[in-house]
Amino acid sequence: GESVGLHLPTLSVQEGDNSIINCAYSNSASDYFIWYKQESGKGPQFIIDIRSNMDKRQGQRVTVLLNKTVKHLSLQIAATQPGDSAVYFCAERSQGGGNKLTFGTGTQLKVEL
Amino acid sequence: EAQVTQNPRYLITVTGKKLTVTCSQNMNHEYMSWYRQDPGLGLRQIYYSMNVEVTDKGDVPEGYKVSRKEKRNFPLILESPSPNQTSLYFCASSPLGAPIAYEQYFGPGTRLTVT
Repeated sequence: GESVGLHLPTLSVQEGDNSIINCAYSNSASDYFIWYKQESGKGPQFIIDIRSNMDKRQGQRVTVLLNKTVKHLSLQIAATQPGDSAVYFCAERSQGGGNKLTFGTGTQLKVEL
Repeated sequence: EAQVTQNPRYLITVTGKKLTVTCSQNMNHEYMSWYRQDPGLGLRQIYYSMNVEVTDKGDVPEGYKVSRKEKRNFPLILESPSPNQTSLYFCASSPLGAPIAYEQYFGPGTRLTVT
């Protein structure tokens, strides 16, 4: 079946540095992608989304890049803070898939002081 | 405050003892779903519901049941739990249709251990 995966299970960065979390997806029919943040003991929280007709979208301190040619999604966090420490998931929606999302396995981001 | 609540948050039980995990949302969302989260596998959908009395299987429905008698509630039922159902469970809700992601809310999770 289709899968969404992440390149690195753990990413350690120094406070103040930029973080880049990557995600590969295999369903070329996916038309919508989301990044979630999950802090310890909590449910996933929406960070930012992007539609397949875009290649970049910016939020507050976060940027999502979409490369449909190589089916790659990335999340960039600027000036990483201790509060950014969490697990980050990408998720995709298949075109015509309604509300159903397929989630990646997650990357643990650790921010070192 | 818009939220999804789940109960219990933690549960340890024995094989074969029926249990129910409740889920409730206060946002009048049509779409609700249950996920399980296991290390290295990400969130996998168990069941979903598009409205009252409308439910359907997700990717891993075996061993689970759900019901949707009211719009706000979507309980997950394990008739005869087994150790392979030990997992972290999340309920989520959103409006029906093209997902407006920032309106998709997840509950806080239920940690279930089956011995």
